[in-house]
Amino acid sequence: GAVVSQHPSWVICKSGTSVKIECRSLDFQATTMFWYRQFPKQSLMLMATSNEGSKATYEQGVEKDKFLINHASLTLSTLTVTSAHPEDSSFYICSARGLAGVNYEQYFGPGTRLTVT
Amino acid sequence: AQKVTQAQTEISVVEKEDVTLDCVYETRDTTYYLFWYKQPPSGELVFLIRRNSFDEQNEISGRYSWNFQKSTSSFNFTITASQVVDSAVYFCALSVPSGSARQLTFGSGTQLTVLP
Repeated sequence: GAVVSQHPSWVICKSGTSVKIECRSLDFQATTMFWYRQFPKQSLMLMATSNEGSKATYEQGVEKDKFLINHASLTLSTLTVTSAHPEDSSFYICSARGLAGVNYEQYFGPGTRLTVT
Repeated sequence: AQKVTQAQTEISVVEKEDVTLDCVYETRDTTYYLFWYKQPPSGELVFLIRRNSFDEQNEISGRYSWNFQKSTSSFNFTITASQVVDSAVYFCALSVPSGSARQLTFGSGTQLTVLP
């Protein structure tokens, strides 16, 4: 149980275009989802936290107009990188957390590798 | 604010050697959770262990063992008889319930390479 999927697993896009990444909790209801970014040989950096039905809370230094997060249902959150540039190339990882019990843990998706050319 | 320090950036060992990965944490909260994750080259984080601040018992799971010492704010991870498949980046992380979202604070990670 407690499986989180991400789609796509990798994507290549041209500079200036937008890319949407989906994060789904497959077998539990995720009241909170987190989005992380990881550059090569670096740690995971939290970008934003989203609660279902609410606006996301962004970490300092993360542009909310560039990284649009939508958490419209208890099983789906999306991250849209708008007007992507090469410096946005990174590994994006989502995690999901339920309400209580075992689902209060944070479960990670497999990540999405974004390359902007 | 929470902080996790993994001072070892890279470690290289030969197969069958034991290796210990260090983790030092900082928090003012008395209740907190510590985690270890493994990130193989595929990128997917693999959960290894969660330990709460009130449970200082060391834990052993197969070749893995964890040593939690509140007195030194450390939560070290030992792999016994390492294998090539253990090669990965290992992250230590901390979470406090008092945080509004129980966010995870990650250390910088330790790249472990096990040579055949």
